[in-house]
Amino acid sequence: SQTIHQWPATLVQPVGSPLSLECTVEGTSNPNLYWYRQAAGRGLQLLFYSVGIGQISSEVPQNLSASRPQDRQFILSSKKLLLSDSGFYLCAWRSVYRGSTGELFFGEGSRLTVL
Amino acid sequence: AQSVAQPEDQVNVAEGNPLTVKCTYSVSGNPYLFWYVQYPNRGLQFLLKYITGDNLVKGSYGFEAEFNKSQTSFHLKKPSALVSDSALYFCAVRAPNSNYQLIWGAGTKLIIKP
Repeated sequence: SQTIHQWPATLVQPVGSPLSLECTVEGTSNPNLYWYRQAAGRGLQLLFYSVGIGQISSEVPQNLSASRPQDRQFILSSKKLLLSDSGFYLCAWRSVYRGSTGELFFGEGSRLTVL
Repeated sequence: AQSVAQPEDQVNVAEGNPLTVKCTYSVSGNPYLFWYVQYPNRGLQFLLKYITGDNLVKGSYGFEAEFNKSQTSFHLKKPSALVSDSALYFCAVRAPNSNYQLIWGAGTKLIIKP
């Protein structure tokens, strides 16, 4: 069966420090991968998605970047965090196999607090 | 513009009573519709989906949802609420030819009181 791992679960960082959140998927190949941000425990904002290694689409201009160095690895980064980067970050994957209906499967999330 | 609306910010239900969480959508063509649940400080869990066929779909934890094409709605229901159903619920829709991107509702907080 497929599983998704996301870490760290909790992170407290000072303003101006770098960020790296990592997500890996097991049990599938060539998934589509997504990074979402959830502010104030409510709506989901799509930040990045990737359809393959090295292929990143950015949905929102911001202080963050994403990379996909391996098929099942997706990394969210920042060189200098802002206070507004605080939030709950969620990684998700979707199967691209024939017959897939498009539902996403989420990791457990990473809570980032920027002070 | 394509959109999903969850008109209720919060729904309060007594334990044992039926519950409904509302979702309406605006997309062109025949959509795929999804419900997710999120417990505090956790990721979203997939509950159920409507793709085609029977308008009433059953999912995890005793939840079901009814697709109504004429009203463009996909309301989530459960015959008898449990306190453990208290969580944040999201409706999402994938429009045809949308490159598989989901459009998300804002979420509805469901509170089940003992």
